[in-house]
Amino acid sequence: KQEVTQIPAALSVPEGENLVLNCSFTDSAIYNLQWFRQDPGKGLTSLLLIQSSQREQTSGRLNASLDKSSGRSTLYIAASQPGDSATYLCAVIKGGSEKLVFGKGTKLTVNP
Amino acid sequence: NAGVMQNPRHLVRRRGQEARLRCSPMKGHSHVYWYRQLPEEGLKFMVYLQKENIIDESGMPKERFSAEFPKEGPSILRIQQVVRGDSAAYFCASSPPSLSGNEKLFFGSGTQLSVL
Repeated sequence: KQEVTQIPAALSVPEGENLVLNCSFTDSAIYNLQWFRQDPGKGLTSLLLIQSSQREQTSGRLNASLDKSSGRSTLYIAASQPGDSATYLCAVIKGGSEKLVFGKGTKLTVNP
Repeated sequence: NAGVMQNPRHLVRRRGQEARLRCSPMKGHSHVYWYRQLPEEGLKFMVYLQKENIIDESGMPKERFSAEFPKEGPSILRIQQVVRGDSAAYFCASSPPSLSGNEKLFFGSGTQLSVL
């Protein structure tokens, strides 16, 4: 059974800092991995998707890496801003399945 | 192109009542997924539907919960005889036919169900 763990559960940083969020998964037979952002009372916004054959994806100040063999992914946020404050969720999908398995998320607070 | 639309945003029910949650997928999307987020928990898969078909309901509780995606109209998640433990945020997501390796899933804003 696939399990996804995110560390830390919460993180508070001053504005401008670079930071890394971690995600690990127990079954390396994944199809792809997605990072989402969830704002309070709102839905999820997909940030980055990494296919199983890829090592990383970049979008603006965000960079996500994937090491499938070790079951790990990181989300790197450069020059953090208060607007980055949200909960960041990692989710994996297994080949042959349509189901996303989510971690519990990391709640990020960027202080001005 | 409107995103995934869910209504109502908030739903309050008393124990024993029925709850109906609606989801209209993005235009051009024929696949719908329902996820539930309990307090302090991650999102859990409930059911995957295509038009008029339930493809995977392995995450649905065996009793009181049902889902449909009719030929016309939104997808409906129905919870009969609600209990306090059903209080959660219910999210709907949609995708084009068949998730491939490079397709993102698009989520609605969710319905927050509160059972009194």
